Amino acid sequence: DAGVTQSPTHLIKTRGQQVTLRCSPKSGHDTVSWYQQALGQGPQFIFQYYEEEERQRGNFPDRFSGHQFPNYSSELNVNALLLGDSALYLCASSSREPKNIQYFGAGTRLSVL
Amino acid sequence: SQQGEEDPQALSIQEGENATMNCSYKTSINNLQWYRQNSGRGLVHLILIRSNEREKHSGRLRVTLDTSKKSSSLLITASRAADTASYFCATRTDGSGNTGKLIFGQGTTLQVKP
Repeated sequence: DAGVTQSPTHLIKTRGQQVTLRCSPKSGHDTVSWYQQALGQGPQFIFQYYEEEERQRGNFPDRFSGHQFPNYSSELNVNALLLGDSALYLCASSSREPKNIQYFGAGTRLSVL
Repeated sequence: SQQGEEDPQALSIQEGENATMNCSYKTSINNLQWYRQNSGRGLVHLILIRSNEREKHSGRLRVTLDTSKKSSSLLITASRAADTASYFCATRTDGSGNTGKLIFGQGTTLQVKP
């Protein structure tokens, strides 16, 4: 039973570029959440997708957008990259009910130069 | 914004000793969870305590919750070198039928020396 998988593992971009990160949820899960974790900080909630719709959003600008596909996998897109977007991006999946426990992937380390 | 503050920020102990880390939060919660993170990779869920519970155990882990003080503590007994990691508390503030968004604290870095 595969857990949450994220790709790529590492990514290097330059300011102004756009990036797409991918996530496949744990088998049986239909809800995907994305978090940003800056170095030395706790993860911060970006948004959550369920039934292919964004259900809740954290305090992130519109440069951050996402998508969920019919197979429940998800993408996180970041446009016009800034140096401050350098972070570990974590995807977490959960079942709709109960949805208390979120299972995290290993993350994508994004470096913006 | 961060909901929780964790204390201490860093903790170094010898193998076999107990490790205690604390978490404070600001708003009413549905539940509080503790996660472990090794070397800046993915988080692993450790234990969940609901707002109407005061104490919970799982193996060598003991979690307490004091909603009047808006605080929680995680105790790891008989620590091992493999327990070396960062530990985060995370709160869920929404009620049933909502998304289950988690708000994380800043984390405590635990080093267990062999």
